Amino acid sequence: QVLLVQSGAEVKKPGASVKLSCKASGYTFTHYSMHWVRQAPGQRLEWMGWINCNTGDTKYSQNFQGRVTLTRDTSSSTAYMELSSLISEDTAVYFCARPVNYADYLDFWGQGTLVTVSS
Amino acid sequence: EIVMTQSPATLSVSPGERATLSCRASQNIGINLAWYQHKVGQAPRLLIYDTSSRATGIPGRFSGSGSGTEFTLTIDSLQSEDFAIYFCQQNNKWPPLTFGGGTKVEIK
Repeated sequence: QVLLVQSGAEVKKPGASVKLSCKASGYTFTHYSMHWVRQAPGQRLEWMGWINCNTGDTKYSQNFQGRVTLTRDTSSSTAYMELSSLISEDTAVYFCARPVNYADYLDFWGQGTLVTVSS
Repeated sequence: EIVMTQSPATLSVSPGERATLSCRASQNIGINLAWYQHKVGQAPRLLIYDTSSRATGIPGRFSGSGSGTEFTLTIDSLQSEDFAIYFCQQNNKWPPLTFGGGTKVEIK
């Protein structure tokens, strides 16, 4: 079955960077893209970016002003999200999510990773 | 950016009753809308895509309708496991994908 397993919770200081992983199994990794979405406390889901897991092409939300970098490692079927210059407002649960094969509806999600930014 | 607005924020419903949730898009998105169910501590679950198609394994009591800017999710005969937060998402024009703020369906 399709599984997306994310890395564990992180605590970071303001100004630091965090790199999260999302290991995929149960399907051919390069046949699908991956989205990253986050949810801050009390806020709606916020889309961060997208990566084509075959080509490595990316699209990003302008809301992050270049602080997000998505990469992937096809040899390990793992997608990565790095967020730099962390601020307290980046405290959130971060999800990776795989879209269906014909449209960007998200049918498989990771379990989420809590990132806490605190001095 | 397309803004998705959901109403109501909270819906109190008795088990066995029907719940009707609304989602409005700030511009025409055709039928490019999905609904998700989200429970605390769990990953969101895709319920409905393309406005009215049920995702794999989703019970028939969940149905979606609408087009353009107005959309509805209906849950017939609410079961105990249906009490959760529901949110909509558009993929008509992205980036960015955008999500509604959610409707919490709680036990009356």
